[in-house]
Amino acid sequence: GQNIDQPTEMTATEGAIVQINCTYQTSGFNGLFWYQQHAGEAPTFLSYNVLDGLEEKGRFSSFLSRSKGYSYLLLKELQMKDSASYLCAVRDLHASGGSYIPTFGRGTSLIVHP
Amino acid sequence: ETGVTQSPTHLIKTRGQQVTLRCSSQSGHNTVSWYQQALGQGPQFIFQYYREEENGRGNFPPRFSGLQFPNYSSELNVNALELDDSALYLCASSSLGDGTDTQYFGPGTRLTVL
Repeated sequence: GQNIDQPTEMTATEGAIVQINCTYQTSGFNGLFWYQQHAGEAPTFLSYNVLDGLEEKGRFSSFLSRSKGYSYLLLKELQMKDSASYLCAVRDLHASGGSYIPTFGRGTSLIVHP
Repeated sequence: ETGVTQSPTHLIKTRGQQVTLRCSSQSGHNTVSWYQQALGQGPQFIFQYYREEENGRGNFPPRFSGLQFPNYSSELNVNALELDDSALYLCASSSLGDGTDTQYFGPGTRLTVL
């Protein structure tokens, strides 16, 4: 199986920067996703990393280090609407029998306060 | 482009009953995955359908079954409902073979079993 570890909860101030970490253990790594999920709603896709390095998309950036089994999601210029759960999901071809199915972590609940 | 839709939005059943949940995939997508998300947890993979065949299954009992139709829409059936089946059921569609196989989620069906 896979182990995906994220902090349960984080708090930050409006306008600040926050980094949400995700560590994982896989034998057949084939991509890492970040999703945002507001309470009572479906997850929405934020980013995808399969190679080492930083992917930037507006206020959100995602970083991957395959050798360390580590990723982070960086949120800049935080807004109140960024309060949500952030899900890290890892695709492991070996764990899923060769199919392209990601395994989700429990999510990090981010609370942004004024 | 039409996104992923699910019906019904909410459903209340009693223990032992059967339920069918429906999902229409995003246009251009050929794969549908179903997830169960309990409160405070990440989505747990139930199964995936590709070209009307089951293409992977998570750790769920056989009373969870599904179908995919020629238009790529899908159904999730759960027999002999148990109290622990109360959860948000998410459908995600993707395009197998597009490189990333990023999954896009529908709004979910909130199932309550009494």
